[in-house]
Amino acid sequence: AQSVTQLDSQVPVFEEAPVELRCNYSSSVSVYLFWYVQYPNQGLQLLLKYLSGSTLVESINGFEAEFNKSQTSFHLRKPSVHISDTAEYFCAVSEKVGSGNTGKLIFGQGTTLQVKP
Amino acid sequence: NAGVMQNPRHLVRRRGQEARLRCSPMKGHSHVYWYRQLPEEGLKFMVYLQKENIIDESGMPKERFSAEFPKEGPSILRIQQVVRGDSAAYFCASSRTSGVNTEAFFGQGTRLTVV
Repeated sequence: AQSVTQLDSQVPVFEEAPVELRCNYSSSVSVYLFWYVQYPNQGLQLLLKYLSGSTLVESINGFEAEFNKSQTSFHLRKPSVHISDTAEYFCAVSEKVGSGNTGKLIFGQGTTLQVKP
Repeated sequence: NAGVMQNPRHLVRRRGQEARLRCSPMKGHSHVYWYRQLPEEGLKFMVYLQKENIIDESGMPKERFSAEFPKEGPSILRIQQVVRGDSAAYFCASSRTSGVNTEAFFGQGTRLTVV
């Protein structure tokens, strides 16, 4: 069975510092990988995704994640965080089925990023 | 194009009552997914529906929970005879298809409190 582990429940960091949010997954089949962000009292928004091709994927607001198949990891990084990045971040996987996916996401427990001034 | 709309945003029910959670997918989306987020936990998949069909209900509790997505109208997640352990945030997501480049868009969730 697939599972996703986010090793840190909370990550406090000062503004303009770099940050890494860790995500490991276990699956016996090929997967697609996602990071979602949830701001307070809002729904989840897709931050970035890995489907195929380059193992390094980037978002429009400076986040990036690298798919590492040998380590079954998909860690999220940002070289310099802002106060506005304070939110909860969820890593998720979706199982490949044929040429597509099932649409069903398996989520990690979430990591709360707290950016301090 | 409005996003995924869930209502109510907050719902309080007494033990033994019924809870009905509604989800209107984005325009043109015919795939709906329901997830539950218990306190201090990540989102857990409950059920996947297409119009009038349940495709995957492997995450649904065997009793008291049901879901539908009729031809007309929103998807409904129904919880009968609620118990305190049902208190959680329930999120709905919708997608146009289930193919490789399809993105699932999430609603803001319904926070159910059972007192």
